[in-house]
Amino acid sequence: AQKVTQAQTEISVVEKEDVTLDCVYETRDTTYYLFWYKQPPSGELVFLIRRNSFDEQNEISGRYSWNFQKSTSSFNFTITASQVVDSAVYFCALGPNFGNEKLTFGTGTRLTIIP
Amino acid sequence: GAGVSQSPSNKVTEKGKDVELRCDPISGHTALYWYRQSLGQGLEFLIYFQGNSAPDKSGLPSDRFSAERTGGSVSTLTIQRTQQEDSAVYLCASSRPNGIQYFGAGTRLSVL
Repeated sequence: AQKVTQAQTEISVVEKEDVTLDCVYETRDTTYYLFWYKQPPSGELVFLIRRNSFDEQNEISGRYSWNFQKSTSSFNFTITASQVVDSAVYFCALGPNFGNEKLTFGTGTRLTIIP
Repeated sequence: GAGVSQSPSNKVTEKGKDVELRCDPISGHTALYWYRQSLGQGLEFLIYFQGNSAPDKSGLPSDRFSAERTGGSVSTLTIQRTQQEDSAVYLCASSRPNGIQYFGAGTRLSVL
């Protein structure tokens, strides 16, 4: 069975601080996709990143970066120089590496950036 | 429209009533998904449609839940004889083949 664990239920940091959101996953699949989505107060999930299990290179996009470590089954997400607009619930998800299939989501981490 | 559209955005109903939730996917997306998000929980998969293939209904929690997708586009999720535990946000997503799932803003269902 597939499982995604986001142990941090809520995090609060002061604006401009860096913050890392943890994600640990379990799967028997040898190939898979990992995702991060952002859910702002409006409720719509916003896609942030999809990473194939073949590719363990870290990725940086502006203030966002992702650290994928297959050896520890983790896919952590770091926001550098946080801003109030980063306040949201962030979900990590796991999906198969073929076709279209359901995603397995973690329970989310609520991030609050304090101005 | 540019994104996945869901209606209504909010629905309040009485226990025992039937409800229908609608999802209009992104044009050209062949796959459509329904998920449920209960308070403080992650997203729980309900059902998945891919083109003309038989839907994957493995996530539907009971036979009170059903969904259809007409003409390969709009989908309706129906909950019969609603119960209080059905209260949640119901999210719809769509994607291209092997594509990223893009989500709508959801329908918040409250069963009184």
